[in-house]
Amino acid sequence: QQPVQSPQAVILREGEDAVINCSSSKALYSVHWYRQKHGEAPVFLMILLKGGEQKGHDKISASFNEKKQQSSLYLTASQLSYSGTYFCGTAADSGYSTLTFGKGTMLLVSP
Amino acid sequence: DTGVSQNPRHKITKRGQNVTFRCDPISEHNRLYWYRQTLGQGPEFLTYFQNEAQLEKSRLLSDRFSAERPKGSFSTLEIQRTEQGDSAMYLCASSLALGQGSLSPLHFGNGTRLTVT
Repeated sequence: QQPVQSPQAVILREGEDAVINCSSSKALYSVHWYRQKHGEAPVFLMILLKGGEQKGHDKISASFNEKKQQSSLYLTASQLSYSGTYFCGTAADSGYSTLTFGKGTMLLVSP
Repeated sequence: DTGVSQNPRHKITKRGQNVTFRCDPISEHNRLYWYRQTLGQGPEFLTYFQNEAQLEKSRLLSDRFSAERPKGSFSTLEIQRTEQGDSAMYLCASSLALGQGSLSPLHFGNGTRLTVT
């Protein structure tokens, strides 16, 4: 079951904040977040486990709400380098070996 | 760590021809994945290997697609009798999975863009 990402696209000015959501209709064990710039490979950002864990990576952090089966990615004080398409990938259990990716959220940060 | 390498970067072929792509994973990684990505979509799982064993294939994967990973090193993905619908970016990823596979980050290559005319 493909996770649903929202919004589909976000346009920000440098320094503004954004939130990207990833929801699933199935119980999740872990959520991965990746960023892909145009013409490049997706790059790993972070993994979250069920249990409401929150993680941070520079000014990018994420949370996982197990009750809602939803993960949110928070981009604070956005930089031009944050532009790209953000994908969440979900796994249903600890031994699950493949990820199911959402359709992505395109983020454009302008000066 | 030289990253995941894929060749060729681009491939243009005529409908009905066979094509083969190669992926060289990060050397110490035991898992290798093939994904397909079309414009505006996230990566779609095709198949994965743990060492040399192919452990899972997508139910959506046509019989025209076959993948190998001899000796658990590089992998090849072959598409026989290509169709226009096969046009996509084919991504390879590798990971070092110790126990809980879903906790291992994927390291993607830059992909092979296939255009079927």
